[in-house]
Amino acid sequence: DAGITQSPRYKITETGRQVTLMCHQTWSHSYMFWYRQDLGHGLRLIYYSAAADITDKGEVPDGYVVSRSKTENFPLTLESATRSQTSVYFCASSERDRGVNTEAFFGQGTRLTVV
Amino acid sequence: RKEVEQDPGPFNVPEGATVAFNCTYSNSASQSFFWYRQDCRKEPKLLMSVYSSGNEDGRFTAQLNRASQYISLLIRDSKLSDSATYLCVVIPSGAGSYQLTFGKGTKLSVIP
Repeated sequence: DAGITQSPRYKITETGRQVTLMCHQTWSHSYMFWYRQDLGHGLRLIYYSAAADITDKGEVPDGYVVSRSKTENFPLTLESATRSQTSVYFCASSERDRGVNTEAFFGQGTRLTVV
Repeated sequence: RKEVEQDPGPFNVPEGATVAFNCTYSNSASQSFFWYRQDCRKEPKLLMSVYSSGNEDGRFTAQLNRASQYISLLIRDSKLSDSATYLCVVIPSGAGSYQLTFGKGTKLSVIP
């Protein structure tokens, strides 16, 4: 199916465990993003990637690791999950047009609970 | 001053009413502007882009005021299905022009 998909949709993990959230897009968009959304904070950027093998930190990167070995995939790993990382995580992608990014398209989100 | 600011609401309006949201942004060099809609517990979805000349899509009208650095969204003849959170999104120019900066959203509840 065309679009951007995230997996899993729901995940419960224990404090201290490593967990990876997957994101896959079929448009070959250059840019991909990971956001987390918490009540009172809105959408906050964790990491972004401008192309394969190019990643950079966003507003709240601590405790997260990303990779982008292929254009279509952008996994997010929580190295040692903490309760403060309980959140809804959204992956998004966008393209660039005349030097400015166009609108972003979002995956359905992963609801992560750390117990 | 926060980069993008919105009145969080909630706005509670009766069906058929007209409602308007504003969003202010701090970066005067910002180039692109959007309104997204987010339903409870779901992903944000693009509602409409905001052009310098203003644009309209059915009951929805978006406007940009660069001098005062705000964008607006007007919803006419509100429907129950318009109940959602509306997110203002700004893309800066120059360095960081890849980043979409989101407001925290304005919650709209349309009441029967």
